[in-house]
Amino acid sequence: GDSVTQMEGPVTLSEEAFLTINCTYTATGYPSLFWYVQYPGEGLQLLLKATKADDKGSNKGFEATYRKETTSFHLEKGSVQVSDSAVYFCALTEIGGNTPLVFGKGTRLSVIA
Amino acid sequence: SAVISQKPSRDICQRGTSLTIQCQVDSQVTMMFWYRQQPGQSLTLIATANQGSEATYESGFVIDKFPISRPNLTFSTLTVSNMSPEDSSIYLCSAGGLAGSYEQYFGPGTRLTVT
Repeated sequence: GDSVTQMEGPVTLSEEAFLTINCTYTATGYPSLFWYVQYPGEGLQLLLKATKADDKGSNKGFEATYRKETTSFHLEKGSVQVSDSAVYFCALTEIGGNTPLVFGKGTRLSVIA
Repeated sequence: SAVISQKPSRDICQRGTSLTIQCQVDSQVTMMFWYRQQPGQSLTLIATANQGSEATYESGFVIDKFPISRPNLTFSTLTVSNMSPEDSSIYLCSAGGLAGSYEQYFGPGTRLTVT
């Protein structure tokens, strides 16, 4: 079945550092890819998405590019802030919103001032 | 997009009792999903709830323990029955299948502690 593998955390960075969180996937079809963020004590928020190869999703300074050839969707941000401290989940779904998401294990990011 | 609310936001329950969690969506959606998130873990799908049909449960989850209702296109409930401390988790509902959207939206979660 489909699966998502993302880098183990926790990741600790200083403010204004560059962030990369790696995500790779396996899928039988042509999935849509997502990054969700979970701030402490809250539910999941959609951060960005990409639905086809070479699409770049972006939001709040975060970016990820759908790379079909490497089955990857790495999350990047050029300059992190303390407020970015959260758990980040990479996820996929095969048929849009009509099938459940398959999640990676999550990566906890802590940004220190 | 869709806005999803859940009630209760948190509860502390005694073992052997049951709790029903409500999930309300502000627009009609095709699919609703229930997930469990144990402390420090990722999300595990419990079941998929279609309106007008029985919920579809994932391996390891059964209807007697987690009965689900989906009476219309904007509402669903999940009951956690005969609770034990192992059921202490965050329970999240999500919704998908909005017209023209690949996205799924999540509620804020219900934090359940069983003593």
